[in-house]
Amino acid sequence: EMHLVQSGAEVKKPGESLKISCQVSAYIFTNCWVGWVRQLPGKGLEWMGFIYPADSDTRYGPSFQGQVTISADKSVSTAYLQWRSLQASDTGMYYCALITVGGTRAFDYWGRGTLVTVSS
Amino acid sequence: EIVLTQSPGTLSLSPGERATLSCRASQSLRSDDLAWYQQKPGQAPRLLIYGRGTRGTGIPDRFSGSGSGTDFTLTITRLDPEDSAVYYCQQYGSSVLTFGGGTKVEI
Repeated sequence: EMHLVQSGAEVKKPGESLKISCQVSAYIFTNCWVGWVRQLPGKGLEWMGFIYPADSDTRYGPSFQGQVTISADKSVSTAYLQWRSLQASDTGMYYCALITVGGTRAFDYWGRGTLVTVSS
Repeated sequence: EIVLTQSPGTLSLSPGERATLSCRASQSLRSDDLAWYQQKPGQAPRLLIYGRGTRGTGIPDRFSGSGSGTDFTLTITRLDPEDSAVYYCQQYGSSVLTFGGGTKVEI
């Protein structure tokens, strides 16, 4: 059975840093892509990027390149999404999602999401 | 970047009816390179269809996907009130993944 456990909701001030996590079942972690998808309040889904933990190959969506950092730690089967300096416009739900089927980039497993609130 | 345009914005139907949702791409895609998701309020999205109409785990055969080139369709037959949700298409034919804006289905 697949497990994706995301870290809990965060409340931060503008300018603060943040790192949220997504722990994945160990048996699949190095055989899948782990992606991050943003959903702003009342809006649709946006692909932020993904990482292949086996070799740390990382890709970013153009809107997020340079704005966030995606990383992974194989020793704890966990992927991370990090901001150096949050803005109010980063307020939203952040989902981690897996691509486990070869030959596609469809996200077949999703975490429950981490709600990030940035407010002064 | 490939833009996906979904229509209609909202679809209001009755139980037992058929829903037809459209997803139009700004550039041609292979039929393999499109997926559909369902998102209910307060929940994470769930993969419905990917590739050439392959259903995700546990997805009933009332859900089907078709299309190629720039026009793709998600069809839901025998609508159930549980199908009330927002449906998104997503393309992975380019290195930049993109989602459509969503279609809300009200039963």
